[in-house]
Amino acid sequence: DIQMTQSPSSLSASVGDRVTITCRAGQIISSYLNWYQQKPGKAPDLLIYAASSLQSGVPSRFSGSGSGTDFTLTIMSLQPEDFGTYYCQQSYSAPWTFGQGTKVEIK
Amino acid sequence: EVHLLESGGGLVQPGGSLRLSCAASGFTFNNYAMSWVRQAPGEGLEWVSAIGGSGAGTYYADSVKGRFTISRDNSKNTLYLQMNSLRAEDTAVYYCAKDPDYSNYFDYWGQGTLVTVSS
Repeated sequence: DIQMTQSPSSLSASVGDRVTITCRAGQIISSYLNWYQQKPGKAPDLLIYAASSLQSGVPSRFSGSGSGTDFTLTIMSLQPEDFGTYYCQQSYSAPWTFGQGTKVEIK
Repeated sequence: EVHLLESGGGLVQPGGSLRLSCAASGFTFNNYAMSWVRQAPGEGLEWVSAIGGSGAGTYYADSVKGRFTISRDNSKNTLYLQMNSLRAEDTAVYYCAKDPDYSNYFDYWGQGTLVTVSS
């Protein structure tokens, strides 16, 4: 199984801040990396697929980058509604595995 | 509008069985692979099982292989997960999720159904 490791596990940032979350894969996964946002008590929402493609309807302040083993999710200007937990997921080989999550809090 | 609605969760004793359903609408169901993803209380996401659009290909996480069976009825636009020999560690919210184009990620999710395995 491909292990996915996110950092940090949690962060607290102010509205307007630039936020960066990192995801590292245990082996090369090309660009088969996806990002989700989950709010408490809700299902996850797809934000980014194929490492850098923005899902339809997702605000442009979200962006993804990386390939190989190292990936980044960036929120350019944090908004109050961006609180929640963010997960990366590899779609390179089964079983499709997720990172442990990064909890984002608004200061 | 895509809509996925899970049902069938509940409290079951260890060793027991449960069948989850996921009713789909708003898209041509038989054109898309579907998955089940679960989340234990306070924990992260774990992919459980996937099935191709025709139902021909099925895939399982090692943690459920031999105990869970995924299936679908395309005439009813419904996805199923038959869960047998349930264990305490199977306690989780179970989500059904749609794969946009056999790319093994998930563009739409249901609201989830809670399965609790406890005596």
